[in-house]
Amino acid sequence: GAVVSQHPSWVICKSGTSVKIECRSLDFQATTMFWYRQFPKQSLMLMATSNEGSKATYEQGVEKDKFLINHASLTLSTLTVTSAHPEDSSFYICSARTVVGNTIYFGEGSWLTVV
Amino acid sequence: QKEVEQNSGPLSVPEGAIASLNCTYSDRGSQSFFWYRQYSGKSPELIMFIYSNGDKEDGRFTAQLNKASQYVSLLIRDSQPSDSATYLCAVKEVRGANSKLTFGKGITLSVRP
Repeated sequence: GAVVSQHPSWVICKSGTSVKIECRSLDFQATTMFWYRQFPKQSLMLMATSNEGSKATYEQGVEKDKFLINHASLTLSTLTVTSAHPEDSSFYICSARTVVGNTIYFGEGSWLTVV
Repeated sequence: QKEVEQNSGPLSVPEGAIASLNCTYSDRGSQSFFWYRQYSGKSPELIMFIYSNGDKEDGRFTAQLNKASQYVSLLIRDSQPSDSATYLCAVKEVRGANSKLTFGKGITLSVRP
């Protein structure tokens, strides 16, 4: 199947700093990527939909100024958590949709711990 | 608010048994349905997708879709301990030119050796 790579796999940062997470589609072009957040023992919650070359569409309740999303190419989207706080600690997962077949594949996820 | 419900679980079955995982959805217009498996601390991986009413089989997995009743299920035959994971049902919601997946909260399956 298609491969979606996420980096870093885990990161620890200090409260108040910013951290960037990358999501790459390795063997296909993805005009649309999605960013999710998952707290322990809860389901995936969609944060935003990222379309290449345009502004991301954020879900209700997600602060666009805090979670900056950039989708500058057909294979790369980034999520920057700005001024991170301990409550932002979570598992962040991206997914990418294939143009051919219209199937969604997930990255490996990134564990963020804010201390 | 479009919802995907996975209310049963956690589920425990003995090795070799059939595990049946159910999911209901609220949007009658939904067309595409997905089952993902998520191991603890890992990202979800796609197991199967189904678009048409009826059954779709892939190895030990069978997805069943009944659009009239708005439910989709996943059967796992000859369950193995390695099948122990959380299974997420997802429904594709189409919004204009875009689409997104809405996930259920998942069902945790434990296969006892």
